[in-house]
Amino acid sequence: NAGVTQTPKFRVLKTGQSMTLLCAQDMNHEYMYWYRQDPGMGLRLIHYSVGEGTTAKGEVPDGYNVSRLKKQNFLLGLESAAPSQTSVYFCASMSKRGAWEQYFGPGTRLTVT
Amino acid sequence: AQSVTQPDIHITVSEGASLELRCNYSYGATPYLFWYVQSPGQGLQLLLKYFSGDTLVQGIKGFEAEFKRSQSSFNLRKPSVHWSDAAEYFCAVVPPMGNNAGNMLTFGGGTRLMVKP
Repeated sequence: NAGVTQTPKFRVLKTGQSMTLLCAQDMNHEYMYWYRQDPGMGLRLIHYSVGEGTTAKGEVPDGYNVSRLKKQNFLLGLESAAPSQTSVYFCASMSKRGAWEQYFGPGTRLTVT
Repeated sequence: AQSVTQPDIHITVSEGASLELRCNYSYGATPYLFWYVQSPGQGLQLLLKYFSGDTLVQGIKGFEAEFKRSQSSFNLRKPSVHWSDAAEYFCAVVPPMGNNAGNMLTFGGGTRLMVKP
């Protein structure tokens, strides 16, 4: 039981490049989330999904896209990376059936130069 | 504006000393309240949560938190800190809004705890 995994762990991009971050969970959770963490700002929600095939915007969605084609996977895409997207990205998942506990992945550190 | 505030960015305590980390929220009604811990290079782990009822909540790793409605606070405490408690701590809420289909968390800015030997 791996919980929530994220790929890759580190990445360096040049401005304008694109990339996709993969999040996978093996707990059969319905809800999945993408956050970014910046110093002094806590975690801010980028996008979330309440089920396979559905996504919604969070607090800071601009510049990102997401897809949830399979229940266990939640992909975060950057179409044209900008230095302002340098951050640590966390994925989380949660069961809709209670406990209200989000389970977090180990994070992806992204640097855009 | 509705928010979650952690007034202390950094706190340093000696090993064995007591600890209190502050969290304040500003919502019209009481939100669901959480404390998470993030060890260096790791994701976040839930320490404890409060929905209703007894205002003193026990969590994992010897932590507890007290909800005070009059102060809109949910402070985290530990009687005796261990070196392994050095980490960043986040207070978070599920706002008391009806339209929160994703049960989204709103996080405070975090408090980084350093433990002196």
